[in-house]
Amino acid sequence: QSVLTQPPSASGAPGQRVAISCSGSNSNIGSNPVSWYRQLPGTAPTLLINSNDQRPSGVPDRFSGSKSGTSASLAISGLQSEDEADYYCASWDDGLNGWLFGGGTKLTVL
Amino acid sequence: QVQLQESGPGLVRPSETLSLTCTVSGGSISTYYWTWIRQPPGKGLEWIGYIYYSGRTNYNASLRSRVTMSLDASRNQFSLKLSSVTAADTAVYYCARDPLGLQYFDSWGQGALVTVSS
Repeated sequence: QSVLTQPPSASGAPGQRVAISCSGSNSNIGSNPVSWYRQLPGTAPTLLINSNDQRPSGVPDRFSGSKSGTSASLAISGLQSEDEADYYCASWDDGLNGWLFGGGTKLTVL
Repeated sequence: QVQLQESGPGLVRPSETLSLTCTVSGGSISTYYWTWIRQPPGKGLEWIGYIYYSGRTNYNASLRSRVTMSLDASRNQFSLKLSSVTAADTAVYYCARDPLGLQYFDSWGQGALVTVSS
């Protein structure tokens, strides 16, 4: 069971906006930055958002991240069929002295 | 742009030791945190541990007794050994780079499927 909690699934129609939540605690999200990763079927994860809300070069501005307290959120606007993937949040945990990943959210574009 | 590539046996027998190597190209291994992450079939991501370029390591507490990581700067490689494997260790193993330390993973290998079976 992941200590970072994500909804197992999310969906939206093309062009719509969807948000994926990631809930943690004071020892992880509350104290450390959150990153988000996208994993297309059969491929390795790729960095989508780092440091809570920063987009690496090459990531479209349709993707945005935010953090408040012990929770974080990834928003995807203008949904496209190629956005169908699994999305994971991650954060360092000071108590465990290790990295935590959320359980992953499978995004379906209707 | 840095690239990472995992290599090693795809099949390991129960109770034996899993060994993987990650080769880094397009950049030096002599900085950053170098990490191993695994993903059992159909499941989520699990952090295994990291090795800093200085050789300092930090392992997931649940795997600490079985994990050893090492780094060979002359070959631009770092390695993972996981001993006494069981079927529960069957997974895709990824190597990744954490450029700032405990912040995020900006480069990942393509992954290596390791199956534990007799």
